[in-house]
Amino acid sequence: QVQLQESGPGLVKPSETLALTCNVSGASVSRDYWAWLRQPPGKGLEWLGYIHDGGTTNFSPSLKSRLSMSVDTLKNQFSLRLTSVTAADTAVYFCARDRRVWTTVTIFDVWGRGALVTVSS
Amino acid sequence: DTQMTQSPSSLSASVGDRVTITCRASRTVNTYLNWYQQKPGEAPKLMIYAVSNFQAWVPSRFSASGFGTEFTLTISSLQPEDVATYYCQQSYNLFTFGGGTKVEIK
Repeated sequence: QVQLQESGPGLVKPSETLALTCNVSGASVSRDYWAWLRQPPGKGLEWLGYIHDGGTTNFSPSLKSRLSMSVDTLKNQFSLRLTSVTAADTAVYFCARDRRVWTTVTIFDVWGRGALVTVSS
Repeated sequence: DTQMTQSPSSLSASVGDRVTITCRASRTVNTYLNWYQQKPGEAPKLMIYAVSNFQAWVPSRFSASGFGTEFTLTISSLQPEDVATYYCQQSYNLFTFGGGTKVEIK
């Protein structure tokens, strides 16, 4: 059974960098695609990006300039870094497995429980 | 990018009522349309992928259909355990979600 667990600081100051890690159990980060999504309090879901095959990434155009992702195959984890954060980046951040069904149907079939990150001084 | 619009944004219905949620795309997403259920304080849970392929846990009172730019999710007989927010998501042009439909019991 695949399980994901986010970890990282719950409070980040404006203009600083938000960094989260997702620990994967029951699957290998060297396989599949792995995604980050977020949900501002009381609002809808936003896809941030994915990482695949140890280094191939694709990011939301609106966040591309501030976003990076990486994989640590030894620890079976993948990570998110979002620079120059503002209050608008306050959200619950979810990591998820991004599975490809029939080539172009992407489903987020396993999710972490989410980590609330608040951007505030 | 492809915008996804859900309607209504919220609804309140009685147990046993038939409930329909609509998801419209700003341009075609073919059949690359998924649905998720999210209960308060929980992560979203995949319900349906590619319009009408159901995950094993989804009760038979749920049905889904659509193609191109218009899709529907229907609950034939609303049950208390269906209280949740439902999101559509397209994967035809990157990945975007609808704004969600909050379903409550009257």
